[in-house]
Amino acid sequence: EAGVTQFPSHSVIEKGQTVTLRCDPISGHDNLYWYRRVMGKEIKFLLHFVKESKQDESGMPNNRFLAERTGGTYSTLKVQPAELEDSGVYFCASSLRDGLKAFFGQGTRLTVV
Amino acid sequence: LAKTTQPISMDSYEGQEVNITCSHNNIATNDYITWYQQFPSQGPRFIIQGYKTKVTNEVASLFIPADRKSSTLSLPRVSLSDTAVYYCLVGESPISGGYQKVTFGTGTKLQVIP
Repeated sequence: EAGVTQFPSHSVIEKGQTVTLRCDPISGHDNLYWYRRVMGKEIKFLLHFVKESKQDESGMPNNRFLAERTGGTYSTLKVQPAELEDSGVYFCASSLRDGLKAFFGQGTRLTVV
Repeated sequence: LAKTTQPISMDSYEGQEVNITCSHNNIATNDYITWYQQFPSQGPRFIIQGYKTKVTNEVASLFIPADRKSSTLSLPRVSLSDTAVYYCLVGESPISGGYQKVTFGTGTKLQVIP
């Protein structure tokens, strides 16, 4: 069974540009989560999808971040325009049911220069 | 969400049992305790979850005292490949949901020495 897959694994963009991160959860997992770790800080929750609906987006830092999950399958996280402080590792996770163990992807390392 | 405190780092020799304790003094009645492991350049990986007493699986054991204000992850006979960061998370019941919204905390960096 394939695990959670994230694309790209690394991305380097200039300040002001747009970047879109993608997450493919484990097939059949309705719950999808985004987390991020900015440099030197802890891994923090960003938002939670149940199928295509945003269940909780309380962790989204500001309106430069837009997450979508059309059709309830893969999800994208767009950062527009990117700022230097957005640099970090963005993790995606999925679970069969909220609260059950989550399976994480390997993360996308975003560097904004 | 309950705040957790764990040692920043630990060293252990190969073959030894390692116990990592996490304090969570303000744990709520509905909170579960979950431990994750993370290797460099990878996402966290679920290890074990419990509510009270003792839970054991093929990877580790989790000991939770009656007051639930702390928990101890026990890794039997560690090997070099167990070198990783271990996170203790406390969050709401897995049935009603909510524990995935936690912040992971600083974790404990375990270094296994040959």
